[in-house]
Amino acid sequence: DAGITQSPRYKITETGRQVTLMCHQTWSHSYMFWYRQDLGHGLRLIYYSAAADITDKGEVPDGYVVSRSKTENFPLTLESATRSQTSVYFCATRTSGAGTGELFFGEGSRLTVL
Amino acid sequence: RKEVEQDPGPFNVPEGATVAFNCTYSNSASQSFFWYRQDCRKEPKLLMSVYSSGNEDGRFTAQLNRASQYISLLIRDSKLSDSATYLCVVNQYSSASKIIFGSGTRLSIRP
Repeated sequence: DAGITQSPRYKITETGRQVTLMCHQTWSHSYMFWYRQDLGHGLRLIYYSAAADITDKGEVPDGYVVSRSKTENFPLTLESATRSQTSVYFCATRTSGAGTGELFFGEGSRLTVL
Repeated sequence: RKEVEQDPGPFNVPEGATVAFNCTYSNSASQSFFWYRQDCRKEPKLLMSVYSSGNEDGRFTAQLNRASQYISLLIRDSKLSDSATYLCVVNQYSSASKIIFGSGTRLSIRP
């Protein structure tokens, strides 16, 4: 049981290209999240989803698009990549939106934009 | 001012030592609190939740001080395997979008 899988794990792309990072979970957790992690900033929320077809912006949504047509998948698309989007991206799931539920993270996708 | 602040460290302590980290949060409406551990180039994993009355899990003790708006993590009898970055996490209100991560405190245990 893989839990959460992210792909690709490593990606190098060029400025202006479209990039999609995939996130797949096997648990059927309601909530899914995309975070980016940069030195000095900790993890910052990009987008999250409470259920299939329900998504909402987080702290740093500009330049990103998400969709959630199926409960288990939550892809993150950079429509026109910029150097400032070079980062480590983590997908996470949670059984509920708030309270004491644990966040489960994927292994991360390391993206470099040249 | 950041909503959740941690001393970045690094804390470099000998094996067997006791080490403590603090984390302060700015929003008094914060409702739930956690410590996550992140190993180098790995994903964060839950270490422990932090309850109002304080809680202990083996060598780890977490405390919450709502009046002063900080949480703490105490590690006793530190092991080499405790070397990692420790992330303070605060859930504000009852909203999934208000899960705020601190930047982390790096801990290095030396033999």
